[in-house]
Amino acid sequence: GNSVTQMEGPVTLSEEAFLTINCTYTATGYPSLFWYVQYPGEGLQLLLKATKADDKGSNKGFEATYRKETTSFHLEKGSVQVSDSAVYFCALSGDSGGYQKVTFGTGTKLQVIP
Amino acid sequence: DVKVTQSSRYLVKRTGEKVFLECVQDMDHENMFWYRQDPGLGLRLIYFSYDVKMKEKGDIPEGYSVSREKKERFSLILESASTNQTSMYLCASSDLGRLNYGYTFGSGTRLTVV
Repeated sequence: GNSVTQMEGPVTLSEEAFLTINCTYTATGYPSLFWYVQYPGEGLQLLLKATKADDKGSNKGFEATYRKETTSFHLEKGSVQVSDSAVYFCALSGDSGGYQKVTFGTGTKLQVIP
Repeated sequence: DVKVTQSSRYLVKRTGEKVFLECVQDMDHENMFWYRQDPGLGLRLIYFSYDVKMKEKGDIPEGYSVSREKKERFSLILESASTNQTSMYLCASSDLGRLNYGYTFGSGTRLTVV
C-alpha cells in the first residue's frame, strides 16, 4: 500500500535559519504530493502541493519539488520565522484499496526560537 | 470562506457514554473523512464516506461508527467511550473529482474520556 515517511522531530532552529524537512514516499501510479501545516490547537491546512514529477509547489516562502526518481518531496524554506513553528505533515493522494485517499506521514514538529 | 466546521473544540465524557462528534462542510464535497491524531502516530483514518448513506472503514474503525444522512454532514459515533479513545479528532472533506486539491480540515475536537 501507499506510505509516507518523514523525518522525526522535533526540529529546533534559530530564526532566519534554513529549513529542510525530508519526506519520501511509496506509492503505485502517479500520486499527487502535499505538505500540510498544523499550528497549535488548529486543524491541518494545505501548505503546498505538486501533482506530477518535477513540479515545484510553493507557498509562504516554503518550497518542495516532486522527485519521482528518488520518491521524495522535501520541504524547504530559506529563512524561518518564529511564526513558522508548527507541525508539518507530508502526504500523498493515490489509489488505496480501490479508493482515492490521502495518506499522511507522522508529522514533524518545528520549533523556531528567536 | 469555505470551511469544515466541527461542533465542539473540547469535550469531556465519561467511560461508557455514547458520544457524537459532528462535522459539517459547506463546499458541496462528496468525500468526507474522520481521523484521529495521536502523538507519534500521526493521522489515522477511522471512517470515510464518498456519498450520502455510504461509508467505508478506514484503518482503525473498531469502537466507532458513522452516519451520513445528508451530503454536508458526517457524524462520528463512539458507541461506548473508553479511555483509549481520548484523542484529537479531525474531520476533512474533499471534492470527488479533484483529489489533487487535497483535503480541507476542520479545527479538530479534543476529546477526553475519563
